[in-house]
Amino acid sequence: EAQVTQNPRYLITVTGKKLTVTCSQNMNHEYMSWYRQDPGLGLRQIYYSMNVEVTDKGDVPEGYKVSRKEKRNFPLILESPSPNQTSLYFCASSFTWGNRAATNEKLFFGSGTQLSVL
Amino acid sequence: ILNVEQSPQSLHVQEGDSTNFTCSFPSSNFYALHWYRWETAKSPEALFVMTLNGDEKKKGRISATLNTKEGYSYLYIKGSQPEDSATYLCAFKKTSYDKVIFGPGTSLSVIP
Repeated sequence: EAQVTQNPRYLITVTGKKLTVTCSQNMNHEYMSWYRQDPGLGLRQIYYSMNVEVTDKGDVPEGYKVSRKEKRNFPLILESPSPNQTSLYFCASSFTWGNRAATNEKLFFGSGTQLSVL
Repeated sequence: ILNVEQSPQSLHVQEGDSTNFTCSFPSSNFYALHWYRWETAKSPEALFVMTLNGDEKKKGRISATLNTKEGYSYLYIKGSQPEDSATYLCAFKKTSYDKVIFGPGTSLSVIP
């Protein structure tokens, strides 16, 4: 089954304790992205990656790191989490560029990770 | 900074009513416009990806139109049902090599 798998689904942690949220897709997508969703603010992009070893900052990258060493995985790293990073996080992936039609480039989303930083 | 705007921010309609909402995006350098449906406690799911000026897409009671020259897209829901209650997101892509930029969404509540 084609899917984007995010783990964990829920996470409660304390300020300063490093954590990683994993994201994996099995559709051979080039594009992967992380978003956070906060009440009244919609989806805000944290980081995105156009392909392996290519990552770029989104709108709210401060306090986050990512890596794209393999095409299928795009982990989100919080080196020193703070309470203002309490949020609902989504990973998403899609095809992009190459010889595929733009209409094939819809985003597939993971099931989300609810993070609470105390 | 590219801005993608959606209006209205929220909408309450009676069951059976038809409704529509708007997504506005920069009209220069257009590659694709996406619509997503996002139900509470779930993940966003793609409805349409539109690429050509004048495109019209339809999925059941939901349809969308695209005007790339003036930078807007409309989403229409005919005969709204309670299960249509969700946030509808549009997303814009300037080129194939660019990130996807989301609008803030329109929250639709359909009252039985």
